[in-house]
Amino acid sequence: QKEVEQNSGPLSVPEGAIASLNCTYSDRGSQSFFWYRQYSGKSPELIMSIYSNGDKEDGRFTAQLNKASQYVSLLIRDSQPSDSATYLCAVNSGGGADGLTFGKGTHLIIQP
Amino acid sequence: DVKVTQSSRYLVKRTGEKVFLECVQDMDHENMFWYRQDPGLGLRLIYFSYDVKMKEKGDIPEGYSVSREKKERFSLILESASTNQTSMYLCASSPQMTATNEKLFFGSGTQLSVL
Repeated sequence: QKEVEQNSGPLSVPEGAIASLNCTYSDRGSQSFFWYRQYSGKSPELIMSIYSNGDKEDGRFTAQLNKASQYVSLLIRDSQPSDSATYLCAVNSGGGADGLTFGKGTHLIIQP
Repeated sequence: DVKVTQSSRYLVKRTGEKVFLECVQDMDHENMFWYRQDPGLGLRLIYFSYDVKMKEKGDIPEGYSVSREKKERFSLILESASTNQTSMYLCASSPQMTATNEKLFFGSGTQLSVL
């Protein structure tokens, strides 16, 4: 069974610092990787996607992928209180329409 | 903007009732999904559909069925609701996917309470 593991937190980071969120996955055949942000009481929204090894940057967000280690991470630079949310790692193993496997999420708190 | 609309934000039902959760998307997406989200368990896939009248079981299909008679509408059916089906239900859609293009757009969710 495909598994995606995340530390549930809460992860507390001071405002302006770098928040580092980590995720591991079990299916070595996984091909695409996503980070969703979910505010309390809201539905998840996609913030980053990554498909090949290395780093991908988008504004204050950087996604990192290491397929050999089956590890994906999300860095948030210059953390803001508005970044406080639960971050969900999601993995697709083979493309097609069979949906994503989600981790349980990491609760991030940015302290002003 | 993609819009995925779930018919109810909150729903309270009694044990044994038949429950319909409706989801409509307006972007002509091929794929639609139903997830449930529970504290400590995360998002779990119940059923998905990649075409009209097509359906596939996800990870936890027991106690649920689905219907997709039209491309834009995907319904989740609880044939006989039970208390362990109390949960947040999230519908999602996505366009036709390749291995490097799978982005889900979520509805706002339905919080179902079964008493």
